[in-house]
Amino acid sequence: DAKTTQPPSMDCAEGRAANLPCNHSTISGNEYVYWYRQIHSQGPQYIIHGLKNNETNEMASLIITEDRKSSTLILPHATLRDTAVYYCIVSANNAGNMLTFGGGTRLMVKP
Amino acid sequence: DTEVTQTPKHLVMGMTNKKSLKCEQHMGHRAMYWYKQKAKKPPELMFVYSYEKLSINESVPSRFSPECPNSSLLNLHLHALQPEDSALYLCASSKANTQAYGYTFGSGTRLTVV
Repeated sequence: DAKTTQPPSMDCAEGRAANLPCNHSTISGNEYVYWYRQIHSQGPQYIIHGLKNNETNEMASLIITEDRKSSTLILPHATLRDTAVYYCIVSANNAGNMLTFGGGTRLMVKP
Repeated sequence: DTEVTQTPKHLVMGMTNKKSLKCEQHMGHRAMYWYKQKAKKPPELMFVYSYEKLSINESVPSRFSPECPNSSLLNLHLHALQPEDSALYLCASSKANTQAYGYTFGSGTRLTVV
C-alpha cells in the first residue's frame, strides 16, 4: 500500500470547518483514498472514501487533487464530538488489500 | 443490527492464564479482522478471516490463536501472554474481503497482562 503523510495534530474552533490534509504522492491508479477516525477509547469509524472524484456524505466531504497526490477531508461544521484521530489510508479495492493505518492527525475541536 | 460487539470490554490476565476474546456481528459480513493497538499508536492488523477461513496472519506469535466458528463469530484465544501484549484488541468486519464498503469496528477489549 502507498504511504500517506498527515500532520500529527491540528486545532479547529467549534462551528468552523475542519480541513484535514493528506499527502499520498506515490498512490497507484487503482488505489482509493479512505478516511477513518477514532474517538478516544472507541474503535475506528469509517468516514468516506474516493478514487478521483470529490465525494460527500452526511459526515464529511473528500476533495482529491487532479493528480491524486493529495486529498483533504472537510468536516463542514466541527463540533466538540469531532475531536478524534483521523486516519488517511490509501489501498486498492480488491481482495487481499487490507486497511493499514498510519500515524493519523489528532484533531482537537475547541469551544 | 449495525454493530460489532466485543466482549469483554476489559480483561486482566496473568502470564500463565488462558483467556478468550469474543467478537460478534449480525450484519451478514463475510470478512472479519483482528487488530492490536498499543497506546498512542495506530491499529496494527493481526489476522483476517474471509468466509470463515483464515486468509492472513501477519506473523503473529502463536500465543495468539484466532478462531472463526461461524460467519457471525470471531474469537481470539490467548495463552502464555507477555506484559508487552497489553493493548486494545479491536475486531472489525466488512461485507467482503474488499474495502469498498468500509470496515465496521467494535469498541475493543482492553487487555492488561500482569
